[in-house]
Amino acid sequence: AQSVAQPEDQVNVAEGNPLTVKCTYSVSGNPYLFWYVQYPNRGLQFLLKYITGDNLVKGSYGFEAEFNKSQTSFHLKKPSALVSDSALYFCAVRVQVKLIFGTGTRLQVFP
Amino acid sequence: SQTIHQWPATLVQPVGSPLSLECTVEGTSNPNLYWYRQAAGRGLQLLFYSVGIGQISSEVPQNLSASRPQDRQFILSSKKLLLSDSGFYLCAWTRDTTGETQYFGPGTRLLVL
Repeated sequence: AQSVAQPEDQVNVAEGNPLTVKCTYSVSGNPYLFWYVQYPNRGLQFLLKYITGDNLVKGSYGFEAEFNKSQTSFHLKKPSALVSDSALYFCAVRVQVKLIFGTGTRLQVFP
Repeated sequence: SQTIHQWPATLVQPVGSPLSLECTVEGTSNPNLYWYRQAAGRGLQLLFYSVGIGQISSEVPQNLSASRPQDRQFILSSKKLLLSDSGFYLCAWTRDTTGETQYFGPGTRLLVL
């Protein structure tokens, strides 16, 4: 079955420290992978995606993600976290015309 | 540029009442359209998607239905709301091209009492 896993319900990090939000996937064929962020009572905002090419993908707000085919992972990273990065983050993989989402990881950045 | 609208933004409805949520997309043609529900601020559940006018695919059998009367309009309906229909409803669109990004609307918060 095709799926996405976000193993951490919540990630806590101090402002200024690097952050990582984990995502692993299971799909047949080449994966098309996405990261979204959701602020309270808002829709999802697109951060970045991997389709093909460089394994390191850069996106909005200083975020980047590394595609690792051997580990079937697509972890979201940022070198220096901001309090304003606190939000709910979703990883997703495209399967035909649909997106399969992970369960989400709540990122809390403390001042 | 493309824009996606949803209304209403919030809705409080009694159990057993009907429902109609609307989603429209501007600035593109023949988009794929999607309805999701998000409960308790966590995971997204895909309810329906549409690849063209009048073409609706249902992902989860439940108390809801969807229609696409026009190319860029997607409507989510219910004849009789249940308490369990409460949640945050999100509409999304994408171009029908492999690898294209799915873009989300601002959402509708539905509370069924």
